[in-house]
Amino acid sequence: GAGVSQSPRYKVTKRGQDVALRCDPISGHVSLYWYRQALGQGPEFLTYFNYEAQQDKSGLPNDRFSAERPEGSISTLTIQRTEQRDSAMYRCASSLGQGPIYFGEGSWLTVV
Amino acid sequence: DAKTTQPTSMDCAEGRAANLPCNHSTISGNEYVYWYRQIHSQGPQYIIHGLKNNETNEMASLIITEDRKSSTLILPHATLRDTAVYYCIVSDTYSGTYKYIFGTGTRLKVLA
Repeated sequence: GAGVSQSPRYKVTKRGQDVALRCDPISGHVSLYWYRQALGQGPEFLTYFNYEAQQDKSGLPNDRFSAERPEGSISTLTIQRTEQRDSAMYRCASSLGQGPIYFGEGSWLTVV
Repeated sequence: DAKTTQPTSMDCAEGRAANLPCNHSTISGNEYVYWYRQIHSQGPQYIIHGLKNNETNEMASLIITEDRKSSTLILPHATLRDTAVYYCIVSDTYSGTYKYIFGTGTRLKVLA
């Protein structure tokens, strides 16, 4: 597609439920990033893929968070047993593997 | 932690040049300087990047000091639409390391 596409744009979920956030990168982009952004803060790195390989997951807050990119294109960030502190904007970005990364519009997650 | 230091906020008169400074005293030889901006809750938008030479594109100019320990993003004729948070990031995405670590950025307000 023309840009990074994320879905859903808005998600409200009850505490304890699992949520899956999807990212469709720019066509041909081999690298894919996930970030989390709280209000008034800069994006916080979560994890990164080159093709289907997860190269770094050091930013994932705990083991309730996981991400996959099984075919080297679309990626899913899954949060299990959501908690209120998980409420944030979750942003995906992609790149050619070198140079700038390009962000999508994000997925707003609210845990009630 | 972010490897850059930026002022928290700046004001600029509409039509004047906006000069946004960034300190990156621990930058390594392979790391590029990237600038992004974020308007409201939109995804961060790539502006420009450079290694050691000054760079210019249709959006802005990037001036990097000779010792590469600091840089300045210049918006030559700021408009109200340039009001945003501007992030300066150092990253080495051309040789396999990839992390873009965002700080809190500079909140630029362009005044009419």
